[in-house]
Amino acid sequence: GAGVSQSPSNKVTEKGKDVELRCDPISGHTALYWYRQSLGQGLEFLIYFQGNSAPDKSGLPSDRFSAERTGGSVSTLTIQRTQQEDSAVYLCASSLGPPTVTDTQYFGPGTRLTVL
Amino acid sequence: GENVEQHPSTLSVQEGDSAVIKCTYSDSASNYFPWYKQELGKRPQLIIDIRSNVGEKKDQRIAVTLNKTAKHFSLHITETQPEDSAVYFCAASYGNKLVFGAGTILRVKS
Repeated sequence: GAGVSQSPSNKVTEKGKDVELRCDPISGHTALYWYRQSLGQGLEFLIYFQGNSAPDKSGLPSDRFSAERTGGSVSTLTIQRTQQEDSAVYLCASSLGPPTVTDTQYFGPGTRLTVL
Repeated sequence: GENVEQHPSTLSVQEGDSAVIKCTYSDSASNYFPWYKQELGKRPQLIIDIRSNVGEKKDQRIAVTLNKTAKHFSLHITETQPEDSAVYFCAASYGNKLVFGAGTILRVKS
């Protein structure tokens, strides 16, 4: 079946503008994660959604970052007033619930964000 | 705090040799340790994982070992092939999330 998809694949924006990144998880997966991968770095946890529970936002680096998940499916990561240090690849992953972290996470292809 | 250290950062081996990547974690409550492979420009993909109730797991040329007392785990790739060249990430569970190591660039020279 279809895997995790993300859009856009690439986004170039000017400093100070807002951007929205979209993630479509695998159908039926109740857990959804956002990560950030800077050049040559590991995967930095940003936020985690599980069903209708309150999300775990502990990884969001600042209040310019927010995310929502509508209807327990599609998720949108919003970055307001983008800064150059926000440039990175933003990866989404989903896993099958009921969730424990031991459920395999399947990653999307990522969105490469470049802030000029 | 939540921390996963991964070594080495780069590793070059000759085709057919073995490769070992090591990770340490800080939280004794961590109970799940996956390894992901990321080829250039592609998404990370799970290659093997281990849970805290076992010490070793093997899948063909890939094996993972876990030492809970020392809080470290390792990935072993035997008979390396050029297609094994990629970035490998270890991760450890902390509550409902995974904390990843910084990655190891593996180059297999033919």
